[in-house]
Amino acid sequence: GDSVTQMEGPVTLSEEAFLTINCTYTATGYPSLFWYVQYPGEGLQLLLKATKADDKGSNKGFEATYRKETTSFHLEKGSVQVSDSAVYFCALSDSDKLIFGTGTRLQVFP
Amino acid sequence: EAQVTQNPRYLITVTGKKLTVTCSQNMNHEYMSWYRQDPGLGLRQIYYSMNVEVTDKGDVPEGYKVSRKEKRNFPLILESPSPNQTSLYFCASSFGRDNEKLFFGSGTQLSVL
Repeated sequence: GDSVTQMEGPVTLSEEAFLTINCTYTATGYPSLFWYVQYPGEGLQLLLKATKADDKGSNKGFEATYRKETTSFHLEKGSVQVSDSAVYFCALSDSDKLIFGTGTRLQVFP
Repeated sequence: EAQVTQNPRYLITVTGKKLTVTCSQNMNHEYMSWYRQDPGLGLRQIYYSMNVEVTDKGDVPEGYKVSRKEKRNFPLILESPSPNQTSLYFCASSFGRDNEKLFFGSGTQLSVL
């Protein structure tokens, strides 16, 4: 079945550092891809999405490009802030549900 | 304010004592779903509902029940909780099958002793 694999965390960075969180997927079709973010004590929120190959999703300085050839959807940000500390989930759509990766915790220190 | 409301936020119970976690949304969404979140496993779908009186099993439905008598409410029922159901539970909703716009509740942390 379809699946999502994320790099394990935690990822620890200093403020203003460059961020990459790797995500690869396995799917029989061409699913939409998502990044969700979970701040401490809260539910998940949609961060960005891409619906077809070569699409780039972006929001709040974060970007991810749907790469069909490498089946990847890596999350990047050029300069992280302390407020970006959260757990990030990569996900793909599969008919009636989202399939999530295991999540990557990001910790940003001043 | 558009939101998905879960209650309670925290719950500690004992094995075998029936419990219900409530979920309500005020966005007139047709689709509602329950997920559980466990360390190293991410989120896994328990049950979902496409509309009133229509429910289906997700990936991990064993030990859970749901009902959808009203459009806004989708309670999760544990008839006889066991320690392996200790987890963080999330309710989510969206219009139709539009998974791209899932709205999540704040979660319910359940501990079964």
